[in-house]
Amino acid sequence: QLQLQESGPGLVKPSETLSLICIVSGGSISSSSYFWGWIRQSPGKGLESIGNIYYSGTTYYNPSLKSRVTISVDTSKNQFSLKLNSVTAADTAVYYCARLRGSVYDRGYFDSWGQGTQVTVSS
Amino acid sequence: ETVLTQSPGTLSLSPGERATLSCRASQSVSSSYLAWYQQKPGQAPRLLIYGASSRATGIPDRFSGSGSGTDFTLTISRLEPEDFAVYYCQQYGNSLSITFGQGTRLEIK
Repeated sequence: QLQLQESGPGLVKPSETLSLICIVSGGSISSSSYFWGWIRQSPGKGLESIGNIYYSGTTYYNPSLKSRVTISVDTSKNQFSLKLNSVTAADTAVYYCARLRGSVYDRGYFDSWGQGTQVTVSS
Repeated sequence: ETVLTQSPGTLSLSPGERATLSCRASQSVSSSYLAWYQQKPGQAPRLLIYGASSRATGIPDRFSGSGSGTDFTLTISRLEPEDFAVYYCQQYGNSLSITFGQGTRLEIK
């Protein structure tokens, strides 16, 4: 059974870089059928896609965050990561990693999610 | 970017009633790329429907999805106590772009 687990600091100072890792177990991150994504949810608000990555390294970033985001993948460790720089209080949110269906005939939805990790931006 | 607008914002119903949730897109969405999720407090979202009308594994058949173009609907035929939650629609567009609706809160009347 596939499991995703986010890890990283729960508190980040303003203007610094938020760094999270998603460890994938029970399945290979190198599968050709999937992308891997980061989604966040601010307090009391809805869901926002941050970006997605394929095991080859191909990425897509939300245009509103693109200038500050880097998503990378480490197939040897079966994990992928998120870096968001120059954070402000507006980046305080629960951050989820998730698996995105990506095959030619079956794509475009998140079928497995991590439990989420709270990240607070505060000095 | 395709904007998804969900209505109503909050829906108050009783167990046993039928729930109809709407998701309207700012431009046409391929039916293959419209999904619905359920989220309960303190939990990650759970996939309910993909491809506009296909139920995910383990989802009861009281959940159904329909629609095409810019108008999509999630229907829960007979509400169970565990169905009261927040529901989100999500679309997948060109080049892996993904957007979510703002959510509909389904609460017990």
